[in-house]
Amino acid sequence: DAGITQSPRHKVTETGTPVTLRCHQTENHRYMYWYRQDPGHGLRLIHYSYGVKDTDKGEVSDGYSVSRSKTEDFLLTLESATSSQTSVYFCATQGAGEKLFFGSGTQLSVL
Amino acid sequence: TQLLEQSPQFLSIQEGENLTVYCNSSSVFSSLQWYRQEPGEGPVLLVTVVTGGEVKKLKRLTFQFGDARKDSSLHITAAQPGDTGLYLCAGSTGTGSARQLTFGSGTQLTVLP
Repeated sequence: DAGITQSPRHKVTETGTPVTLRCHQTENHRYMYWYRQDPGHGLRLIHYSYGVKDTDKGEVSDGYSVSRSKTEDFLLTLESATSSQTSVYFCATQGAGEKLFFGSGTQLSVL
Repeated sequence: TQLLEQSPQFLSIQEGENLTVYCNSSSVFSSLQWYRQEPGEGPVLLVTVVTGGEVKKLKRLTFQFGDARKDSSLHITAAQPGDTGLYLCAGSTGTGSARQLTFGSGTQLTVLP
């Protein structure tokens, strides 16, 4: 399995504050993804990256930005957190074919 | 937008029983993946089915891709408590990038000892 580390694992923050979630991989995979998981919605793609400094929007990108300055790191920033962004966030990398390897997730609560 | 509907949404059974969960769409997919997710962890890929009508077996789990490549099923024989988890299907349109994967909302399976 790909070595994917997400940090923090849990975070509680207040509405209006910026929040950055970090994803670190050790497999040198080119493609990286950020998803959010909410009850009844499955996994929804927020942003993805197809290389260093190359990123693009997913289906639920409003209110989020990403950066990838190194192959191994992919950062997700909530510019001004809202209660609707309370969710579990997963980072994933893509291996051979379209196989995804997921991190253990970050539980984010916005109060 | 392609949609994948999974049923049932929740399933609670006794150890030793058999069960089937379904993943249905009106869209055609080039392949379909099944993942299992345990509490507090990310999903882990179980299998990918590619050919219409394909059947793959993984120990007590049997996966089938519909002939028209619009649906799939997962059958578990003699379920065990270790099978408990959220089962997710994900359909691919075959572009080579997981960016276009469509995930179902999942079936939460609980196997009681």
